[in-house]
Amino acid sequence: GENVEQHPSTLSVQEGDSAVIKCTYSDSASNYFPWYKQELGKRPQLIIDIRSNVGEKKDQRIAVTLNKTAKHFSLHITETQPEDSAVYFCAAHRGSTLGRLYFGRGTQLTVWP
Amino acid sequence: GAVVSQHPSWVICKSGTSVKIECRSLDFQATTMFWYRQFPKQSLMLMATSNEGSKATYEQGVEKDKFLINHASLTLSTLTVTSAHPEDSSFYICSARGWGETQYFGPGTRLLVL
Repeated sequence: GENVEQHPSTLSVQEGDSAVIKCTYSDSASNYFPWYKQELGKRPQLIIDIRSNVGEKKDQRIAVTLNKTAKHFSLHITETQPEDSAVYFCAAHRGSTLGRLYFGRGTQLTVWP
Repeated sequence: GAVVSQHPSWVICKSGTSVKIECRSLDFQATTMFWYRQFPKQSLMLMATSNEGSKATYEQGVEKDKFLINHASLTLSTLTVTSAHPEDSSFYICSARGWGETQYFGPGTRLLVL
């Protein structure tokens, strides 16, 4: 099956700095890559996603890049704010009819004021 | 749009009892629903995938007789933890998917078995 690796497991940045989280996947058939943000005790919320026919997508301070050849994708957060502090999960979707997601282990991002 | 609710939000029960958790898609039809378990500071562990009107597909290592899943309609799936034991204590989260790939998560149910 698909295997998603996520790094780093923890990331601390100063407010205003950028944060980058990287994920790799193993199955070249994966074609959809969402990123979720989960605050403590709450539900994961989709913050951005990218499909395999696109190399980059941006939404205000958040961007995702995808390198299909290398099988890796990254989340970039610019001008970080304390409210960005949360656990971020990357995931890969294999495109099967079941549509299951394979999640990375998560990155605890802490933004210090 | 794309709101998923889950009930109850938390439950405390005695060992040996059964607990039912409901997951509803409020403003869209969910062709597929997923049930996850999450331990503190860990990732989401998929337990099973369910499609409306058919039997759930369980992940390896998940006991289907222990975790009963029913997906009776396009907006409702239930997870029943049968004969719960303290080791079943966890955070259970459902997600729902419509016709696209995006999964929307419920708020989760915190289960504590005494």
